[in-house]
Amino acid sequence: AQKITQTQPGMFVQEKEAVTLDCTYDTSDPSYGLFWYKQPSSGEMIFLIYQGSYDQQNATEGRYSLNFQKARKSANLVISASQLGDSAMYFCAMRRVGQLTFGSGTQLTVLP
Amino acid sequence: EAGVTQFPSHSVIEKGQTVTLRCDPISGHDNLYWYRRVMGKEIKFLLHFVKESKQDESGMPNNRFLAERTGGTYSTLKVQPAELEDSGVYFCASSGTYLPNTGELFFGEGSRLTVL
Repeated sequence: AQKITQTQPGMFVQEKEAVTLDCTYDTSDPSYGLFWYKQPSSGEMIFLIYQGSYDQQNATEGRYSLNFQKARKSANLVISASQLGDSAMYFCAMRRVGQLTFGSGTQLTVLP
Repeated sequence: EAGVTQFPSHSVIEKGQTVTLRCDPISGHDNLYWYRRVMGKEIKFLLHFVKESKQDESGMPNNRFLAERTGGTYSTLKVQPAELEDSGVYFCASSGTYLPNTGELFFGEGSRLTVL
């Protein structure tokens, strides 16, 4: 069985600073994909970044980067230069055989 | 290009009534998924269509839930009869490829269901 753990129910960060959102996962499969999604107050789920289990380098997408440590089974999201618009719920997820398993989410609040 | 659209955005019904949620995936996407988030819990997988066929329905909670995707385009999720514990947000997602461990899922904005 797969499991995604996000241990930070809420996080605060000052505008323009960097923040790391933690995610650990548990799977016995050698092949899997890791995702981060953002859910603003409007409700839609917005894809941020993807990391494949065989990828040698950490994924980056603009201000988002994924700190992938395979041996530790962690896939932390790093947001650099936080903006007020980054305030949202963030979900880590793992995809295997066509479906996603989600963590419980982290509510990020960016302070002005 | 239009994204995944869901209707209604919010539905309030009484226990025992029926509700039908609709999802229009991105045009050309063969893979369509339903997820739901019950208040305070994780987002959970319900089922996966490939075109009109149910590829995986292991997440469907019970037989009060019926999902269809006639013609392989839009999908409906019917809850009949609705119970209090069905309240939550129902998300639909689609993808163009079926690579088991890769590929982005495009989500709709969700349909919030409130059962009174």
